[in-house]
Amino acid sequence: QQQVKQSPQSLIVQKGGISIINCAYENTAFDYFPWYQQFPGKGPALLIAIRPDVSEKKEGRFTISFNKSAKQFSLHIMDSQPGDSATYFCAASRETSGSRLTFGEGTQLTVNP
Amino acid sequence: DGGITQSPKYLFRKEGQNVTLSCEQNLNHDAMYWYRQDPGQGLRLIYYSQIVNDFQKGDIAEGYSVSREKKESFPLTVTSAQKNPTAFYLCASKASGRADTQYFGPGTRLTVL
Repeated sequence: QQQVKQSPQSLIVQKGGISIINCAYENTAFDYFPWYQQFPGKGPALLIAIRPDVSEKKEGRFTISFNKSAKQFSLHIMDSQPGDSATYFCAASRETSGSRLTFGEGTQLTVNP
Repeated sequence: DGGITQSPKYLFRKEGQNVTLSCEQNLNHDAMYWYRQDPGQGLRLIYYSQIVNDFQKGDIAEGYSVSREKKESFPLTVTSAQKNPTAFYLCASKASGRADTQYFGPGTRLTVL
């Protein structure tokens, strides 16, 4: 089964700290790994994404680290802010499957002021 | 403004009734998707369509039906055969090609009374 395992389920971080969320996948055919951010009662929004030809991608305070051999990828949020408090989902897809995304279970991040 | 609209935002249904959730996009995207979101389970794919007049079952299609008569519209019907329909339903769309960003609508929260 094409699963994506995400951890932790919930995370509490102090303002200014680093938030780290991890995901692991099974299907080596996956070739696209996005992270989505979702606020309560809203639809998810794309935060950052990576393809397996690079090991790291950074956009502002958000960084994806990708380890192809371990089949793992992670999201790092530097200088975490209370406005970052949301649920984060990792996902994976492969182009030949109609780009259907397989999502992790989600991580509820709380950043305390 | 370009985007995805879902209506209604909240929907209440009595057991045994069918109900149709609306999803419209003006992004000129070819592909559209329906997901179901339950607490602690991430997003699960119900149906997806890559082109007009064609659609495929996702991971949890039982008790649901869709149609894709127009490029901009992808309505989802939750039938009485769906045993546990109370959930948050999300519609998404994606342009064709290698860019795999799926854009999500604001969601419809369905409650069965």
